[in-house]
Amino acid sequence: EAQVTQNPRYLITVTGKKLTVTCSQNMNHEYMSWYRQDPGLGLRQIYYSMNVEVTDKGDVPEGYKVSRKEKRNFPLILESPSPNQTSLYFCASSFTSGRAYEQYFGPGTRLTVT
Amino acid sequence: DQQVKQNSPSLSVQEGRISILNCDYTNSMFDYFLWYKKYPAEGPTFLISISSIKDKNEDGRFTVFLNKSAKHLSLHIVPSQPGDSAVYFCATGSARQLTFGSGTQLTVLP
Repeated sequence: EAQVTQNPRYLITVTGKKLTVTCSQNMNHEYMSWYRQDPGLGLRQIYYSMNVEVTDKGDVPEGYKVSRKEKRNFPLILESPSPNQTSLYFCASSFTSGRAYEQYFGPGTRLTVT
Repeated sequence: DQQVKQNSPSLSVQEGRISILNCDYTNSMFDYFLWYKKYPAEGPTFLISISSIKDKNEDGRFTVFLNKSAKHLSLHIVPSQPGDSAVYFCATGSARQLTFGSGTQLTVLP
């Protein structure tokens, strides 16, 4: 089954404790991206990657890091989480040609930072 | 400044009637527009899209209309069904980045 998986689905942590949210896709997509969803703001892009070892900032990259060492994986790293990073996070992937705008989303990770 | 706006946070319609969801955008350079649907505890799923060279695209019960002069996009669902109850996001951008509206919660009443 073609899918984007994220782990964990739910996470409660404390300020300053480093964490990683994993994202994996099995569709051989070149493009992967991270979004956060906050009430009244829709989905805002954090980082994206056009292919292995190619990453770039989205609209709200502060406080986040990413890496793309393999095509299928795109982890999101919070080196020192803060309460304003409490949010619902989505990973997405797509091809970079053809119907490239149609991104496939993971089920989401709800993060709470206390 | 938000480039994509959905001014109605919620909409309720009766089963069988038409649902109309609206979206406004500011950047005339966008060449592709999409609608996504999101159920609770799930990620958004692609619903329908339209190219800027068209003004209408249909897929079953779903039709998207694009009015470029007004910079306005709408999604029509006919007939509406209870299973359509979800949050709907409009989006536009490029292969590198999609910009999403804030979403409209559609509730279809039986």
